[in-house]
Amino acid sequence: DAKTTQPPSMDCAEGRAANLPCNHSTISGNEYVYWYRQIHSQGPQYIIHGLKNNETNEMASLIITEDRKSSTLILPHATLRDTAVYYCIVRVEIGSGGYQKVTFGIGTKLQVIP
Amino acid sequence: DTAVSQTPKYLVTQMGNDKSIKCEQNLGHDTMYWYKQDSKKFLKIMFSYNNKELIINETVPNRFSPKSPDKAHLNLHINSLELGDSAVYFCASKSSGIRNEQFFGPGTRLTVL
Repeated sequence: DAKTTQPPSMDCAEGRAANLPCNHSTISGNEYVYWYRQIHSQGPQYIIHGLKNNETNEMASLIITEDRKSSTLILPHATLRDTAVYYCIVRVEIGSGGYQKVTFGIGTKLQVIP
Repeated sequence: DTAVSQTPKYLVTQMGNDKSIKCEQNLGHDTMYWYKQDSKKFLKIMFSYNNKELIINETVPNRFSPKSPDKAHLNLHINSLELGDSAVYFCASKSSGIRNEQFFGPGTRLTVL
């Protein structure tokens, strides 16, 4: 599995954009970058994923560098409810059925401050 | 409507006991997982099942035995519980659509005394 490196913690002021970086320098060509978050005491929640192009959905934007060795998750207007641990993951497919083995790292603990 | 549910939410038991955790998903997904999150918050995959067949077994002790009676259920039975088994166990299921995202249950906090 390609490993990922994230800062252990970050603070962000409420209403401002939160930019969470992730390094995945050993990512291979067919691996996607996924972001999940885990709010205290809950199960992880999918946020967004991408392969090469930048992606945006109702929750966040994902910016992937051209060499794919790093990415940034952007929460455009952080709220207190966005306080959570954010995991950057690369996906490995096992088998022809696309069975997914996902390895979670330590993640980044984002604290949104009022 | 609960997408992925687990029971029980909390489980406290003595060393050496045998216990089971149940998981059910009503999303129609074919693939389900068990993860273990330890005290250091590392989230590690344990098992994956696809259509009731074991796909991934991540070097988990034989004391852990998953059972999938149908594709909507993946239960985890643990024999001879040890102190190191104390953790939060998450069940998840995966869509087969474009997003391929995993949906996680609320977790079961297991404490072995």
